[in-house]
Amino acid sequence: GNSVTQMEGPVTLSEEAFLTINCTYTATGYPSLFWYVQYPGEGLQLLLKATKADDKGSNKGFEATYRKETTSFHLEKGSVQVSDSAVYFCARGLYSTLTFGKGTMLLVSP
Amino acid sequence: DADVTQTPRNRITKTGKRIMLECSQTKGHDRMYWYRQDPGLGLRLIYYSFDVKDINKGEISDGYSVSRQAQAKFSLSLESAIPNQTALYFCATSDFGSGLTNTGELFFGEGSRLTVL
Repeated sequence: GNSVTQMEGPVTLSEEAFLTINCTYTATGYPSLFWYVQYPGEGLQLLLKATKADDKGSNKGFEATYRKETTSFHLEKGSVQVSDSAVYFCARGLYSTLTFGKGTMLLVSP
Repeated sequence: DADVTQTPRNRITKTGKRIMLECSQTKGHDRMYWYRQDPGLGLRLIYYSFDVKDINKGEISDGYSVSRQAQAKFSLSLESAIPNQTALYFCATSDFGSGLTNTGELFFGEGSRLTVL
């Protein structure tokens, strides 16, 4: 079936460490791919997106590349900050609806 | 003011009661969605609407109903609430995607936390 799988958390890092959160998807057609972030007590907000193969989305130091051959959209950041602590959701958009992964909590300590 | 407003933000109710969660938006988007969030399960789509006359079931519509009163308003009802409907509910809106199979960005409200005792 159509689904989004992302690595389980929590991911615990020290400030300035490198971050990778893996995400893979299954789908027919040509989905768009998204990363959303949810800070404590808030709704989800778009972090970045990519709409076709080999596109790279980037924002606030985060990056993800749409890899059609591996059906992946891994989130990376070179140097995390305490303020990046949040829950990150990978999502696949197809036929005007989004399917979300289960979310990965990131905890960054000083 | 928030572009996507949900009311109430928090609600505690009892099993069997009827509950309505309301959503209004000022973004001018045609497409509106209701999701529920449960720990460890992510977000799951309940219902969505592409315009006032269009209502579609999502993956977990059982036990829920919706009403699209206007372009800007989309409400979610639980006719007879049960404890496993305890969750955080999100309304979202979307603009049109960049192609038939693509999807535009979703804009979320701040959520409505529902507890069913």
